[in-house]
Amino acid sequence: DQQVKQNSPSLSVQEGRISILNCDYTNSMFDYFLWYKKYPAEGPTFLISISSIKDKNEDGRFTVFLNKSAKHLSLHIVPSQPGDSAVYFCAASKPTGNQFYFGTGTSLTVIP
Amino acid sequence: ETGVTQSPTHLIKTRGQQVTLRCSSQSGHNTVSWYQQALGQGPQFIFQYYREEENGRGNFPPRFSGLQFPNYSSELNVNALELDDSALYLCASSPSGKSSYEQYFGPGTRLTVT
Repeated sequence: DQQVKQNSPSLSVQEGRISILNCDYTNSMFDYFLWYKKYPAEGPTFLISISSIKDKNEDGRFTVFLNKSAKHLSLHIVPSQPGDSAVYFCAASKPTGNQFYFGTGTSLTVIP
Repeated sequence: ETGVTQSPTHLIKTRGQQVTLRCSSQSGHNTVSWYQQALGQGPQFIFQYYREEENGRGNFPPRFSGLQFPNYSSELNVNALELDDSALYLCASSPSGKSSYEQYFGPGTRLTVT
């Protein structure tokens, strides 16, 4: 049972434009959400997170939006750079914080 | 500050055998989680250890077991290997407290079961 879903396996964006990666979840108990970035042959790297008490969190070029009523979050990257090309995973956690549920990932390609 | 390391990098085993994978946590981190990532999938949570005790377990059978040592390094053991166990195994360490949500992953061990 996939409780965190990323329905777009891949996304291509021109350099300088906005990249929007989407994630949906089914479990209303999730209270913390994270985005990870993964390059080939490396483990996922933490990118940005958001608590369920917020609807937006920003860190430089990266912004995560959370819509609790729709059980949807998105990651915006502005402006997109070729170095952003990677697989992006969203993940969610319940209040206990001891189990993380990952989506299947979206492969982002930023075209120079 | 050293990051999370895992060994070995790659491993090939035969169905029915047993395997031990190792993880060295980032300095100062007392929590470690293990994940299985099948091809084309996201990481699936296996279990988490906090101060040498299991602190949560995902939907994996008992033949997946773990240990965490006083220096916070850890092992993942898988008995009676099956073909479907072929995957990338990731460990992730995190500090205790508020920042425990932020996990730091190792590069993974690629296990192939033939």
